Amino acid sequence: DAGITQSPRHKVTETGTPVTLRCHQTENHRYMYWYRQDPGHGLRLIHYSYGVKDTDKGEVSDGYSVSRSKTEDFLLTLESATSSQTSVYFCAIRPLDYNEQFFGPGTRLTVL
Amino acid sequence: DAKTTQPPSMDCAEGRAANLPCNHSTISGNEYVYWYRQIHSQGPQYIIHGLKNNETNEMASLIITEDRKSSTLILPHATLRDTAVYYCIVSQTGANNLFFGTGTRLTVIP
Repeated sequence: DAGITQSPRHKVTETGTPVTLRCHQTENHRYMYWYRQDPGHGLRLIHYSYGVKDTDKGEVSDGYSVSRSKTEDFLLTLESATSSQTSVYFCAIRPLDYNEQFFGPGTRLTVL
Repeated sequence: DAKTTQPPSMDCAEGRAANLPCNHSTISGNEYVYWYRQIHSQGPQYIIHGLKNNETNEMASLIITEDRKSSTLILPHATLRDTAVYYCIVSQTGANNLFFGTGTRLTVIP
């Protein structure tokens, strides 16, 4: 494993509540990513970070915000969760001089 | 937009070679071909990538046609643990958005 943990691994919450997912790496890699995976869609990029306090949007960023105050942590926040955000969320990391991304174990989020 | 086309599913007998095809007819000259796989309920796992030459590592071989419009991932001796969804992705070096598509579900049969 590439030294990536995600927490929580499972969460059930109600519509309208805020939710924060955490991705933690021990590799000191510059790039970090948040994807969501839904049936029939594969993985889709939500946001990514290219350094501390440096983030950018992916293809499905609406309804999500991110923060990276330390190299090792990348947080994904759903300010007001909706049922359409029920999904499996994966974090990934990438070293600066590599093309490959290395993925965490995922967080299964259910919004009721 | 889908840049790659893969069959939705394939079966392979345990111990035999699994050959997974991928079409990428619109690939650009500076785009690489990457393969990842995702075993049930786990995060995707990088397998191999290449630009135009064939590549081999401890997991698999990647054969890219001379015109680069298609490629084949070869698992030389498939095991039950190779049962997974395999994704073929074309991307520029250092690109941040990998388009995974829906991949090929490979089932290795005992």
